Amino acid sequence: EIVLTQSPATLSLSPGERATLSCRASQSFSSYLAWYQQRPGQAPRLLIYDASNRATGIPARFSGSGSGADYTLTISSLEPEDSAVYYCQQRSSWPFTFGQGTRLEIK
Amino acid sequence: QLLESGGGLVQPGGSLRLSCAASGFTFSSYAMNWVRQAPGKGLEWVSTISRSGATTYYADSVKGRFTISRDNSKNTLYLQMNSLRADDTAVYYCANDAEYRGSYGTFDYWGQGTLVTVSS
Repeated sequence: EIVLTQSPATLSLSPGERATLSCRASQSFSSYLAWYQQRPGQAPRLLIYDASNRATGIPARFSGSGSGADYTLTISSLEPEDSAVYYCQQRSSWPFTFGQGTRLEIK
Repeated sequence: QLLESGGGLVQPGGSLRLSCAASGFTFSSYAMNWVRQAPGKGLEWVSTISRSGATTYYADSVKGRFTISRDNSKNTLYLQMNSLRADDTAVYYCANDAEYRGSYGTFDYWGQGTLVTVSS
């Protein structure tokens, strides 16, 4: 099973700042990594798939990068509505696994 | 749109069947998934079913106890949960699978979830 470790656990930034979220895997895999946003009380929403592809309707301020065992989600200029928990998830091998999440707080 | 139902309170060892009604897209063209989230915890993939329903996959934590199925004529996904345990307590989400590059595991659109509580 591929274990995903996200860092930091919590991030507190101001509107307009840049956020960098990390996802590190227990083994290298083929960029089949997605990022999801979960706002309080809501279902998760797909942001990025296959490491760097934005899902339909996702603003351009969200971008993904990485390969092998290290992946990054960048939010270039934070908006208040970006306050949420962000999860990475791999689909390279069964079982599909998620990271534990990074909580992003907007000051 | 995906709308889950069937959650509720059940005693340990009991059974429950969840449903996920799909609308607004061609249900039979998508593989489907169940993902759960224990209260205050992260996300856990539970199960995947192919478009036709012929192929299914399960997390080890539910294998042998849960059964995923679908009825494409009714645009509905199911999760039959037997031998429920306290650690099955969670919000259960259904999600369709985008099948990018022909592989499962990208959870494209999610329902709002249904809460299952296993307690005596």
